[in-house]
Amino acid sequence: TQLLEQSPQFLSIQEGENLTVYCNSSSVFSSLQWYRQEPGEGPVLLVTVVTGGEVKKLKRLTFQFGDARKDSSLHITAAQPGDTGLYLCAGVRGSGYALNFGKGTSLLVTP
Amino acid sequence: EAGVAQSPRYKIIEKRQSVAFWCNPISGHATLYWYQQILGQGPKLLIQFQNNGVVDDSQLPKDRFSAERLKGVDSTLKIQPAKLEDSAVYLCASRKDRGITYEQYFGPGTRLTVT
Repeated sequence: TQLLEQSPQFLSIQEGENLTVYCNSSSVFSSLQWYRQEPGEGPVLLVTVVTGGEVKKLKRLTFQFGDARKDSSLHITAAQPGDTGLYLCAGVRGSGYALNFGKGTSLLVTP
Repeated sequence: EAGVAQSPRYKIIEKRQSVAFWCNPISGHATLYWYQQILGQGPKLLIQFQNNGVVDDSQLPKDRFSAERLKGVDSTLKIQPAKLEDSAVYLCASRKDRGITYEQYFGPGTRLTVT
């Protein structure tokens, strides 16, 4: 099993602050995805990164895939309470596109 | 377009009892996945179906877990007998297979508590 390590595990910040979440692996993935999960719901896809060094922006969220395709980061600018949730990175593996998930980063943004 | 449906949403059973979960994927999605998410962890793949065939069940504890997708549409995951460590959220996801598409759509999950 290819392990994905996420850090930090928990993050509590105030509205307006910036934050970065990291996802690291010793293995190379064909692509990597970031999901956000709210209590009582399934994960929802935010972005897929495929190319080493790729940077994608989704409003206030910036995702980066490492050059070696082993690590990724998620940066949130000016966090809002609506950003609260569990952020999961997942490496795509195999021809069936099954996902290896990290343990997640639980983010709490307070007003 | 309707999302992935799962039932029941919550289930409480005693250890050594059996339980079954049901999943109806998005219409037209050939691939279906079952994941187990233990509190404080990310989802872990249990089994993957392509239509009605099993693609990957390497992480399914086959002595107590079973799953089927007989007609290539909806699926059932069963645990018999349940253990305390089976307490988790069981997530079903589906994916469209046309073209290179990585997105999996997840259902809301079934929260299982084994006492």
